[in-house]
Amino acid sequence: QSVLTQPPSVSGAPGQRVTISCTRSSSSTGASYDVHWYQLIPGTAPKLLIYDNTNRPSGVPDRFSGSKSGTSASLAITGLQSEDEADYYCQSYDTSLSGWVSVFGTGTKVTVL
Amino acid sequence: QVDLQESGPRLVRPSETLSLTCSVSGGSVRSDVHYWTWIRRPPGKGLEWIGYVYYSGTANYNPSLKSRVSISIDLSKGQFSLKLNSVTAADTAFYYCARQPTRGLWFDPWGQGIQVTVSS
Repeated sequence: QSVLTQPPSVSGAPGQRVTISCTRSSSSTGASYDVHWYQLIPGTAPKLLIYDNTNRPSGVPDRFSGSKSGTSASLAITGLQSEDEADYYCQSYDTSLSGWVSVFGTGTKVTVL
Repeated sequence: QVDLQESGPRLVRPSETLSLTCSVSGGSVRSDVHYWTWIRRPPGKGLEWIGYVYYSGTANYNPSLKSRVSISIDLSKGQFSLKLNSVTAADTAFYYCARQPTRGLWFDPWGQGIQVTVSS
C-alpha cells in the first residue's frame, strides 16, 4: 500500500480547471508533513511546481496552485493548456525504523481533451 | 543556476552492478544545506526515492533497496554517484539525480535522467 495515493488520471478541456488529490495513508504517522508537487514531461527534466503545500517557485505559472488540509493535499490547474498534459506526482516524507524516507504519490496523468 | 547531469552505462547485465554519476555545475556539492539524491522511475510505474548523500559522506537509503545500494560523493570533482548491485530486470528504469534542501525536503532541480536497461 502506497503512503500517498493519487487518482490515476484526470482530464479536462482547454481553459477548464482540474484538481489532483494526494491522500496520505492512515497507517502513516506523517499527517502534518509538507507536500510538494512535480510535473513530468517525457524528454525533459522533472519540474518542481509547488513546495511546502502552497508555494510556487519562481517561473511556475500562477495557474498552478496547491493546498493541504489534514491528511490530503491537492494540486489545481486553472485555465488548462495543452502543454499541461503530463504526469504529476506529489511527494512528502515518512518515518521508518531507520529514520525518515522520501515518498512519492502514485502519480496522475493529466490529459487535455 | 544549478544544473545536474546523469551519466553512465545504459545497459547492465543481470546480477552485475549498475553505476551512475551525477555531475553538478553552477553550484557546489560542498553545500551543507543540501542533500544529493537519486530517484528512479521504472517503465509504467511511479517515482521511487533511492536515497541521498550529504557533503560529509553520510547517506540515507530507501529501506527496500538498502541492502544493494550505495551513494557516494566526490567533493573535488563536484559529483556524486550511485551503485546498485545484483541488478535484475526490475531495476530497469529512468534514473534521475536531484538536489534536496535539508530544510524543506523537496527536489529541485532535477537532471534530465538516464534510461538504464538490465538485460543479458
